Amino acid sequence: EIVLTQSPGTLSLSPGERATLSCRASQSVSSSYLAWYQQKPGQAPRLLIYGASSRATGIPDRFSGSGSGTDFTLTISRLEPEDFAVYYCQQYGSSQTWTFGQGTKVEIK
Amino acid sequence: EVQLVESGGGLVQPGGSLRLSCAASGFTFSSYWMSWVRQAPGKGLEWVANIKQDGSEKYYVDSVKGRFTISRDNAKNSLYLQMNSLRAEDTAVYYCARWSRGRRAFDIWGQGTMVTVSS
Repeated sequence: EIVLTQSPGTLSLSPGERATLSCRASQSVSSSYLAWYQQKPGQAPRLLIYGASSRATGIPDRFSGSGSGTDFTLTISRLEPEDFAVYYCQQYGSSQTWTFGQGTKVEIK
Repeated sequence: EVQLVESGGGLVQPGGSLRLSCAASGFTFSSYWMSWVRQAPGKGLEWVANIKQDGSEKYYVDSVKGRFTISRDNAKNSLYLQMNSLRAEDTAVYYCARWSRGRRAFDIWGQGTMVTVSS
C-alpha cells in the first residue's frame, strides 16, 4: 500500500505570500493519478488539481501542481484570504485503492 | 446543477447497523464510478469504498471489509452504504463522491452525513 506523507503539517503565512506544500509517496506514483483537494472548516473537500498539474474547473491560476515519481508539490503563488484551509493530496493505486495524505493546514500568520 | 446529497447518518450503538444514502442529480449517474469517503472528527480523509457504474466491481478499505457494503440503484440515481457491526472508530462524516475516470480524481462531493457510534 502506498503511503502519502504531506509536509509541513501546518504552514503559517500571510496573505500575499507564496505557499509550497509537499506530498511524498512511499513508492512511485503515476502522475496521472495524483490529485490535490482543498477543505475549509465545515465544508466538503473540493478538487483543485488532478493529474498532478491540471487545474480543475474554476480553480484560479494562482494554484499550480507539479512533480513526478514520489515527490509532488502544490504551490499557491499569492495567498488570498479564502485560501486558508487544509489541503490533501490523494493517489489512486493499481490495487484498486485510493489513499489520501494526512493534510497540510495553511493558516494565517 | 451537479449535486450529491447524503442522508441516513445518526447515532448508533456499537455493534449496530446503519444505511447511508446518496442522491445524485445533474449528471448521468450510471456513467460514473461512485465512492464513499469518510473523515473522523478532527482527522483527515479516508477512502472507504468504490463501486463501478454497473455495480459489478466493488472495492473497500481493509478496515471495513466484511462489515460495509456499497451498492447503487441507477434507476433511482442513488448510492448506498450499508454499515454493519459498527465500531467507535467508524465515527465520522461520510461523504459521497463522484470518481471521474477522465480526471482520475473525486471531482464532485456531497455535503456529508455524520455517523456517531457510541453507547
